Amino acid sequence: GESVGLHLPTLSVQEGDNSIINCAYSNSASDYFIWYKQESGKGPQFIIDIRSNMDKRQGQRVTVLLNKTVKHLSLQIAATQPGDSAVYFCAERRVDSSYKLIFGSGTRLLVRP
Amino acid sequence: KAGVTQTPRYLIKTRGQQVTLSCSPISGHRSVSWYQQTPGQGLQFLFEYFSETQRNKGNFPGRFSGRQFSNSRSEMNVSTLELGDSALYLCASSLGRGAFNYGYTFGSGTRLTVV
Repeated sequence: GESVGLHLPTLSVQEGDNSIINCAYSNSASDYFIWYKQESGKGPQFIIDIRSNMDKRQGQRVTVLLNKTVKHLSLQIAATQPGDSAVYFCAERRVDSSYKLIFGSGTRLLVRP
Repeated sequence: KAGVTQTPRYLIKTRGQQVTLSCSPISGHRSVSWYQQTPGQGLQFLFEYFSETQRNKGNFPGRFSGRQFSNSRSEMNVSTLELGDSALYLCASSLGRGAFNYGYTFGSGTRLTVV
């Protein structure tokens, strides 16, 4: 679904550990996926993207994995830092005429010092 | 390189009033989309503009409208405000429809409070 309520799923990790945030998307025809990070009072900030013809993409400290068979997307953050604490959203882009982004419900990442 | 600029950052309006929000996309970006973010509904698509034409609209009442100018700047308007319109309104710009680029870049949003 697309709802993000006050009861966001929360992932709590120790500083320095790796984090894995998961997302299930809904449309097998989506061609493009993006992970965003949103800090309090700010707009979503681009982290990493991946096209549907790829399975994996790496950035600086982040890796996105795409499993089209089960329509699953994950974001891995290596050596998680306190500054990584935020809400993370996955978004899928539909290939129909709309090209709009459909957002997942979000996961709150809390990094314990 | 300037990012996406949304003005104003904060607004307080009374029920029944109307409001206009502005979005200046990244230079060279031609597509502007608007999203509403609330704690209860999350991020929901409002509409998309490309080349001054609305290309797609989300499931929002006709009180929500928008437009795009020749310089790609966009405005959205909400008439006859209701309490439920209180939200963070986000604008995202992208190079063009269907483009693969570094994501759809969001602005910081306009926080609208209706009292």
